[in-house]
Amino acid sequence: NAGVTQTPKFQVLKTGQSMTLQCAQDMNHNSMYWYRQDPGMGLRLIYYSASEGTTDKGEVPNGYNVSRLNKREFSLRLESAAPSQTSVYFCASSGLLAGSYNEQFFGPGTRLTVL
Amino acid sequence: QKEVEQNSGPLSVPEGAIASLNCTYSDRVSQSFFWYRQYSGKSPELIMSIYSNGDKEDGRFTAQLNKASQYVSLLIRDSQPSDSATYLCAVNAPGANSKLTFGKGITLSVRP
Repeated sequence: NAGVTQTPKFQVLKTGQSMTLQCAQDMNHNSMYWYRQDPGMGLRLIYYSASEGTTDKGEVPNGYNVSRLNKREFSLRLESAAPSQTSVYFCASSGLLAGSYNEQFFGPGTRLTVL
Repeated sequence: QKEVEQNSGPLSVPEGAIASLNCTYSDRVSQSFFWYRQYSGKSPELIMSIYSNGDKEDGRFTAQLNKASQYVSLLIRDSQPSDSATYLCAVNAPGANSKLTFGKGITLSVRP
């Protein structure tokens, strides 16, 4: 039982390049999330998927797209990377579709640098 | 705008002391509350969840919730150097597709 896994762990891009961050969970969770974490800014939600087949924007969606490929996998795509997207990206999942409880479990993160 | 505020740090305590971490939230209808621990260079790890007013204890950790005052805290008893980390408070409001709102975190340093 690996929990939430993310690939790659590290990535360096040049401005304008594209890439996809992969996330998978094996906890049979309905909901999945993508966050970015920057010094002094805390965790900020980029996109989330409350259930398979749905995605919604979070606090900072500009410059990103997502795909909920199936219940297990949720990918984040940067179409044209910019230096402002240099950050640590975390994927998370939670078991509840809706309601009061929303315990989220995080993957190990991807450190992305855009030159 | 839902906000979660954590008292400014960093916080430094001696080994064996009680560390007290505080968090306030603005959305009065919030219903579930979480504390995450994040070691430097690692991902956030859920350490406590609390849903009703009062105290919840788990080992050396106690979470305290006061919904009337919109306040949640984390006490760490017998602090150890291994407790040195950043602690994130997160709050969830009810409703479909509800999301967590995180505070910016407070860094705790436990001095040997």
